[in-house]
Amino acid sequence: SQTIHQWPATLVQPVGSPLSLECTVEGTSNPNLYWYRQAAGRGLQLLFYSVGIGQISSEVPQNLSASRPQDRQFILSSKKLLLSDSGFYLCAWSIGGDQPQHFGDGTRLSIL
Amino acid sequence: RKEVEQDPGPFNVPEGATVAFNCTYSNSASQSFFWYRQDCRKEPKLLMSVYSSGNEDGRFTAQLNRASQYISLLIRDSKLSDSATYLCVVNGGSGNTPLVFGKGTRLSVIA
Repeated sequence: SQTIHQWPATLVQPVGSPLSLECTVEGTSNPNLYWYRQAAGRGLQLLFYSVGIGQISSEVPQNLSASRPQDRQFILSSKKLLLSDSGFYLCAWSIGGDQPQHFGDGTRLSIL
Repeated sequence: RKEVEQDPGPFNVPEGATVAFNCTYSNSASQSFFWYRQDCRKEPKLLMSVYSSGNEDGRFTAQLNRASQYISLLIRDSKLSDSATYLCVVNGGSGNTPLVFGKGTRLSVIA
């Protein structure tokens, strides 16, 4: 069966520091991969999605970037975090754009 | 990408009550529809897909009205454990266009 791993579960970072969040999927090939952010009490905001290695679509302009160096690996990065980057970051996968997405456990990021 | 709209709630209902949530979507070309459940400080989880003819899973019934472009979720005999936020999800277009998630409706079931 397919599983998705996302780490770390919680992260506290100072303003201006870099960020790297990693997500991996097992048990499937060529999944669609997604990064979302959810501010406290708010809805999901799609940040990036990828339909294949090296293919990244950005949904919202910001100081974050994403990369997909391997088929089942999706990385969210920032060179310099802002206070507004705080939130709950979720990675998800699906077998197609119109298929259900399955989420990792999420990373709760606090910027100080 | 078009919008998905839901009443944010909260819906506060007693145990055993029946509660219904509606959701409207604006993309008439949407073909896939889902309800997700999100517990506080957790990831969203797929509750059920929504089929054209309507479908039921235990105490949960989902319906689709394509003409009016709305989806509903009915929960019968509410349990305390049903307390969560329910997200309406619609596919955003053809091919690999991502799903569009509603902001969710919060349900609190009270003893």
